[in-house]
Amino acid sequence: QQQVKQSPQSLIVQKGGISIINCAYENTAFDYFPWYQQFPGKGPALLIAIRPDVSEKKEGRFTISFNKSAKQFSLHIMDSQPGDSATYFCAATYGGATNKLIFGTGTLLAVQP
Amino acid sequence: GAVVSQHPSRVICKSGTSVKIECRSLDFQATTMFWYRQFPKKSLMLMATSNEGSKATYEQGVEKDKFLINHASLTLSTLTVTSAHPEDSSFYICSARATSGGYTFGSGTRLTVV
Repeated sequence: QQQVKQSPQSLIVQKGGISIINCAYENTAFDYFPWYQQFPGKGPALLIAIRPDVSEKKEGRFTISFNKSAKQFSLHIMDSQPGDSATYFCAATYGGATNKLIFGTGTLLAVQP
Repeated sequence: GAVVSQHPSRVICKSGTSVKIECRSLDFQATTMFWYRQFPKKSLMLMATSNEGSKATYEQGVEKDKFLINHASLTLSTLTVTSAHPEDSSFYICSARATSGGYTFGSGTRLTVV
């Protein structure tokens, strides 16, 4: 129940295309869903996050779509650029004593020029 | 924005020695800090959660005597890998959570035990 399932494991997209990464969860107590971007040898950096009271959030080229009934959320990267090539992690957490993040397994995105 | 400084970024140590990794929140007070371990091409594995002034809570399977965590202040947490062995070689990452919420990660420490 604590798992967050992420797919695909890897993704190749042409420059200018749309990258889509999907995540699914089981625990309905989760109330915060962030996406992180990680470059090799660096720590994860917050990209965008959403709470379950909205179905979509957009920040620049990055959009989170959230489907509460299906317990799924996805990251869309519009106009993908070679600089977007990185590993992306979805995560989830809920209010509580520890508030620990539960991470997905990650998606390695390669944007080809 | 919130910044977490993690040092050192890389460290090489001899087998049997101890290594300390520092994690500092530079512009906010971190009520909770988290320590992760990441293997190549894998996700982040939570090792422990620490709250300022109290003992860390370790995840199942993590040796608390090997991975000593100290969270002495609201801006500093340290992870000490004691009696390090080659199998402890990994990428270690800290994260800090402010009272306002949100999680900020350090830049990670590449530990190599030879």
